[in-house]
Amino acid sequence: KNEVEQSPQNLTAQEGEFITINCSYSVGISALHWLQQHPGGGIVSLFMLSSGKKKHGRLIATINIQEKHSSLHITASHPRDSAVYICAGLGVYNTDKLIFGTGTRLQVFP
Amino acid sequence: DAGITQSPRHKVTETGTPVTLRCHQTENHRYMYWYRQDPGHGLRLIHYSYGVKDTDKGEVSDGYSVSRSKTEDFLLTLESATSSQTSVYFCASSYLPGTSGSADTQYFGPGTRLTVL
Repeated sequence: KNEVEQSPQNLTAQEGEFITINCSYSVGISALHWLQQHPGGGIVSLFMLSSGKKKHGRLIATINIQEKHSSLHITASHPRDSAVYICAGLGVYNTDKLIFGTGTRLQVFP
Repeated sequence: DAGITQSPRHKVTETGTPVTLRCHQTENHRYMYWYRQDPGHGLRLIHYSYGVKDTDKGEVSDGYSVSRSKTEDFLLTLESATSSQTSVYFCASSYLPGTSGSADTQYFGPGTRLTVL
């Protein structure tokens, strides 16, 4: 069992839909990253958060450290949001390394 | 975005040959990482460096070695490539991963697709 689990693994949506991707982890973490990997392969960091909520454009990330759960929401989804979304936790005791989930593949159709 | 490049971007090699992948960053980041990405596994840490000449193993370090002689360069070497090392390799860097409230983000290179025949 992975220490960081994401759900769903695959997600399809129609343009304009509200999307939620979930991330649960079984280890103690001090912060959590949400990353986006486009079909071309490049990986970019979307958010890094350790509590509460962060918003950037149509993207919203929330985290509840006590419940060991984070969500990434996309409002008014668009085909250009199609990508793999990856969550990764930064360990409490070993803060040098990230622990990655296996990713959620999102496809948004026009 | 941080300036991180990887070379080569694609490589095909034969089993048993040594292979070196290069990661170069221009941001003066202290920390650098090598990951491999395989279907069904997500990103897995191979080795990382927390300073010049300071490196440590990740979860899948067998068959790999690294070197960091300068802040900007982090080399990954496959001593004797095997077919199981066919993968996409990503390099990443960050200023200084911290504890809660000050954790740093990681910046990723474009990836190297390695095929071992």
